[in-house]
Amino acid sequence: SQQGEEDPQALSIQEGENATMNCSYKTSINNLQWYRQNSGRGLVHLILIRSNEREKHSGRLRVTLDTSKKSSSLLITASRAADTASYFCATATNTGGFKTIFGAGTRLFVKA
Amino acid sequence: EAGVTQFPSHSVIEKGQTVTLRCDPISGHDNLYWYRRVMGKEIKFLLHFVKESKQDESGMPNNRFLAERTGGTYSTLKVQPAELEDSGVYFCASSQAINSPLHFGNGTRLTVT
Repeated sequence: SQQGEEDPQALSIQEGENATMNCSYKTSINNLQWYRQNSGRGLVHLILIRSNEREKHSGRLRVTLDTSKKSSSLLITASRAADTASYFCATATNTGGFKTIFGAGTRLFVKA
Repeated sequence: EAGVTQFPSHSVIEKGQTVTLRCDPISGHDNLYWYRRVMGKEIKFLLHFVKESKQDESGMPNNRFLAERTGGTYSTLKVQPAELEDSGVYFCASSQAINSPLHFGNGTRLTVT
């Protein structure tokens, strides 16, 4: 069964606006990660937040984690056209063996 | 440092044929993972190697899929015989530690006709 589910599936914004993507998951986790994928390329790791952390920043990225609601959000501030990509959340879990589980992603399109 | 490399980048085969995908992880990364993405759906976990041992192969769809990592370096994923539903993008990733972020290759796009 799918562990992480991103919302929305697709998002279109103007350059300079903020983009918020959400992720919900089902089982307990060790950490949650966000990845970015440009078309035709592999996924690139953006940020990792541990299960005992609530918020983390990296440049224009801000990630929050609410383990009581089993949800996370990724905020990209002051978006740029180059931020256009698919964004995936991934949960690292020990349930049924250690593995990192991905969702279906959010497609972000930033219009110049 | 060289990244994760996958070969081929694209493969088009007919139903019933055999295809072997190869992944070269980042040197020194003991953990190697195979994932598959079908038609814009979630990136589905297939299996996880620690060195040459299969740590978790719970995501392998069926016995038509065989993954190996002889010597604990590169890995191969063989599909035999291929079916139409095997089409998708197969990603390989590696990591230094089991809890570390994953480094992905660019994937192999497999099309079974």
